[in-house]
Amino acid sequence: AQSVTQLDSQVPVFEEAPVELRCNYSSSVSVYLFWYVQYPNQGLQLLLKYLSGSTLVESINGFEAEFNKSQTSFHLRKPSVHISDTAEYFCAVSEDTGFQKLVFGTGTRLLVSP
Amino acid sequence: EPEVTQTPSHQVTQMGQEVILRCVPISNHLYFYWYRQILGQKVEFLVSFYNNEISEKSEIFDDQFSVERPDGSNFTLKIRSTKLEDSAMYFCAIPPSGGGTGELFFGEGSRLTVL
Repeated sequence: AQSVTQLDSQVPVFEEAPVELRCNYSSSVSVYLFWYVQYPNQGLQLLLKYLSGSTLVESINGFEAEFNKSQTSFHLRKPSVHISDTAEYFCAVSEDTGFQKLVFGTGTRLLVSP
Repeated sequence: EPEVTQTPSHQVTQMGQEVILRCVPISNHLYFYWYRQILGQKVEFLVSFYNNEISEKSEIFDDQFSVERPDGSNFTLKIRSTKLEDSAMYFCAIPPSGGGTGELFFGEGSRLTVL
């Protein structure tokens, strides 16, 4: 069975600073990888995904993540964060075998301060 | 992007009472999923439902829980006799059309508070 590890429960950062949220996964088969964002008192929104092809994927709001198969990682990065990026970020994985469930990490709370 | 509406947005109930949470996708879907998020904790898979049958369930999804598609469009999650530890946010999710990549679109959630 697959699993996801997000080692950082909280990452405080100043506005306009770069940030990296770490995600490592474990699976015995090929996987699809996702980052979801949850703003306060809201649902889960898909931020970006890796399905196949280029290992570097980007979101429309400046986030990017790189799939590293050898390190089984899918870290999320942004070169310059905004106050509005304050949210909970969940890394998730599903196995590459049809309509498989998503398995989530424990989440990382990104706190951006001025 | 498919839309999912969940009702109620918040429900407060007494321990031992039955609760029904509803999920309505904007378009017809055969697959849907229920997840749970206890306050401040991870998002946990409960059950997946395909073509009117449970396709997979987690160990959390015990005999207290059931899922149905009562009228061909709504999906429901029922908790027969709620416990304090059932207090959580419950999310319904559906895959995109032609999916099968694990990607899911989530509703806004139903917050359940058991007193």
